[in-house]
Amino acid sequence: AQRVTQPEKLLSVFKGAPVELKCNYSYSGSPELFWYVQYSRQRLQLLLRHISRESIKGFTADLNKGETSFHLKKPFAQEEDSAMYYCALQRGNYQLIWGAGTKLIIKP
Amino acid sequence: NAGVTQTPKFRILKIGQSMTLQCTQDMNHNYMYWYRQDPGMGLKLIYYSVGAGITDKGEVPNGYNVSRSTTEDFPLRLELAAPSQTSVYFCASSYVTEQYFGPGTRLTVT
Repeated sequence: AQRVTQPEKLLSVFKGAPVELKCNYSYSGSPELFWYVQYSRQRLQLLLRHISRESIKGFTADLNKGETSFHLKKPFAQEEDSAMYYCALQRGNYQLIWGAGTKLIIKP
Repeated sequence: NAGVTQTPKFRILKIGQSMTLQCTQDMNHNYMYWYRQDPGMGLKLIYYSVGAGITDKGEVPNGYNVSRSTTEDFPLRLELAAPSQTSVYFCASSYVTEQYFGPGTRLTVT
């Protein structure tokens, strides 16, 4: 079955601390994975995609096919990183399968 | 560019009533999607469209209908509202992979 799991509903870290949001997936083909973010009172938007191997707002995510994971990391959290983060897996016709999301709170 | 717009923002329906959630995009995207999000859950795909005149079911299509007569518009119809359809509904569009979302419609069925 195709599935995306985000094991943490809530993650709270102090400003300046490292952040890792976990994402595990189940998919039989070659996966395309994304992280979307929703800041307070804003729309859901793309943060980054694994295929572009970019760093956005200091965040990176590496696809680990052996562990079927796509964890999102940032070495030093900022208060403006507080948001809901969703991991998503693409299948045919650009359909996305979504994880349940992790609420990230950065404490001052 | 307004991007993806959705109306209404909020709605309360009685059981058995019907309504249409409107979605419009001005980015000339071929792909459009309707999702629902229940509390504490990820988004679930209801229906999607790969272009005007073409629609297909997603994971949770029961109780919903869609049409796509133009590139811009992708309305979602609820025919006989049920309490299980209480949710937040998001419309999205894409050119290829990156999806652009509307602000959502919060629907309560009582």
